[in-house]
Amino acid sequence: AQSVTQPDIHITVSEGASLELRCNYSYGATPYLFWYVQSPGQGLQLLLKYFSGDTLVQGIKGFEAEFKRSQSSFNLRKPSVHWSDAAEYFCAVGPNSGGSNYKLTFGKGTLLTVNP
Amino acid sequence: NAGVTQTPKFQVLKTGQSMTLQCAQDMNHNSMYWYRQDPGMGLRLIYYSASEGTTDKGEVPNGYNVSRLNKREFSLRLESAAPSQTSVYFCASSEAVPGIGSQYFGPGTRLLVL
Repeated sequence: AQSVTQPDIHITVSEGASLELRCNYSYGATPYLFWYVQSPGQGLQLLLKYFSGDTLVQGIKGFEAEFKRSQSSFNLRKPSVHWSDAAEYFCAVGPNSGGSNYKLTFGKGTLLTVNP
Repeated sequence: NAGVTQTPKFQVLKTGQSMTLQCAQDMNHNSMYWYRQDPGMGLRLIYYSASEGTTDKGEVPNGYNVSRLNKREFSLRLESAAPSQTSVYFCASSEAVPGIGSQYFGPGTRLLVL
């Protein structure tokens, strides 16, 4: 069964500092991988996704993530954090195959606090 | 393009009452999903519908039923609400058949069961 681990429940960074949020997954083959962001009281917004090809993917709002098969990781990065990036971030994994299994599995989230 | 819409935004129920959460999408997506979000638990899949006319159980289906009314609409019903169903409920839809595509989420319904 697929699973996702986000080891950090809460991270605090200063505005302008770099950011890396960790995500490790368990899946039998190369999965589809996603990062979502949730602002307080809002739904989830897709930041970026990895399906195949280049292992470094670019997303919205200046975020990027790198798929590392050997480490079963898909960490999210941003070189310089803005106060508006304060939110909760979710990593998700889905099956990389056709057929009827359409389910995503989400990690438990990492809450990002940005200090001025 | 409204994307994924959910009604109501907020609801308070008493134990034993029933209600239906409504979800609609205007992106012509085939697949739709219902999740619940609880503090420290992330999102857990309740039910999903891979295509119009089909529904399947997710991780936490007990106490819920769903109806895929047509391609646009996917409703979630609580027949006899319990305090354990206090949660935030999200509907999502996705593109790209076959296989899995990016899921797009609605704004959520906050449900309190007393």
